Amino acid sequence: GQQVMQIPQYQHVQEGEDFTTYCNSSTTLSNIQWYKQRPGGHPVFLIQLVKSGEVKKQKRLTFQFGEAKKNSSLHITATQTTDVGTYFCAGEVTGANSKLTFGKGITLSVRP
Amino acid sequence: NAGVMQNPRHLVRRRGQEARLRCSPMKGHSHVYWYRQLPEEGLKFMVYLQKENIIDESGMPKERFSAEFPKEGPSILRIQQVVRGDSAAYFCASTGISRETQYFGPGTRLLVL
Repeated sequence: GQQVMQIPQYQHVQEGEDFTTYCNSSTTLSNIQWYKQRPGGHPVFLIQLVKSGEVKKQKRLTFQFGEAKKNSSLHITATQTTDVGTYFCAGEVTGANSKLTFGKGITLSVRP
Repeated sequence: NAGVMQNPRHLVRRRGQEARLRCSPMKGHSHVYWYRQLPEEGLKFMVYLQKENIIDESGMPKERFSAEFPKEGPSILRIQQVVRGDSAAYFCASTGISRETQYFGPGTRLLVL
């Protein structure tokens, strides 16, 4: 079945450093979505990427969809303590009833 | 505009009891997805429902688990004869007609003793 992989599962950075994480799918996706979950909280939608090679920015966060629509990246510039949490990517395959396949997520901690 | 609501937020059950988890989608949304999250894991799709219809239940265990989304009232995920392995956070998400962004509820944390 379809798999979405995020490696590593944990990353620690110093406040102010940049951070990049990647997401890889075993199959071509119709779109990819990114969510953020704080400890004890619920996933909160961040962005959806649909087009091959698409790049979207939200303040210090930059999201990119690969040309082959099988991978994606999230880059955070100058991390802040408010960036802590787990970032999940979730892929949707065409015709899958909008069913999302989530990666295991990467948990980001930021040292002040 | 209220978001997705789930109750209870925390549920403790003993092995063999039944667990009923409720999800009220965002106003105007008619599509509901249920996911299960184990500690330090991603979310695993369980079932996708529209009003009075189960569209995709490929992620739901064949036994003990059932889901419904009646014409009136919340969607319900029902787990019969719970076992310790059912302990997890259960999230529902809703979408509108376009079925793009999924808005998640706060989740129900189920603990089976």
